[in-house]
Amino acid sequence: KAGVTQTPRYLIKTRGQQVTLSCSPISGHRSVSWYQQTPGQGLQFLFEYFSETQRNKGNFPGRFSGRQFSNSRSEMNVSTLELGDSALYLCASSLEEPWGDTGELFFGEGSRLTVL
Amino acid sequence: AQSVTQLGSHVSVSEGALVLLRCNYSSSVPPYLFWYVQYPNQGLQLLLKYTTGATLVKGINGFEAEFKKSETSFHLTKPSAHMSDAAEYFCAVMATGNQFYFGTGTSLTVIP
Repeated sequence: KAGVTQTPRYLIKTRGQQVTLSCSPISGHRSVSWYQQTPGQGLQFLFEYFSETQRNKGNFPGRFSGRQFSNSRSEMNVSTLELGDSALYLCASSLEEPWGDTGELFFGEGSRLTVL
Repeated sequence: AQSVTQLGSHVSVSEGALVLLRCNYSSSVPPYLFWYVQYPNQGLQLLLKYTTGATLVKGINGFEAEFKKSETSFHLTKPSAHMSDAAEYFCAVMATGNQFYFGTGTSLTVIP
């Protein structure tokens, strides 16, 4: 079974631009979460989608947005990029409900964004 | 509210020595607890998890962790470190709504 796939793996943008990152979850997984990882900050939760609906949202400004499609693929968008947005953006998928025998997140390898 | 504290952002051990990575959590509800490992330029991989039942949990690569409710701790241990264990380790708690809270990570260095 294929794992979580994130594209692109690396990208460089300049301040003020916008970026869209894509995530394809494991087949059958309907929950997709996004995390921002920066040195010293660990993983910060951005948002979680389930069946095309945003169920949870972290404490990030409105420049960060996301969506989920009917095939469970997800995208996140960051508008008006700032230098501080440079980070590794990780996507994770999980089975329909975390309770029970899993409660496990399966992570992609991430998209490393550099803002110049 | 839920949160995770990992004591020690960097830990160094000699090859063959005990590995102990500390994690304390706070949770307003009975938590699910996890340890993930991240190798360079990769995503996170689950090492082990505690949901219910036995408080001593065994994971992959010889790691184990013990859930101690009275101490609100979930420390990760391995009896004998191997060079391949060098990585970043993250403790996480999941309480409600499929929202995970991660610690800031502990970087493990194994000295030959």
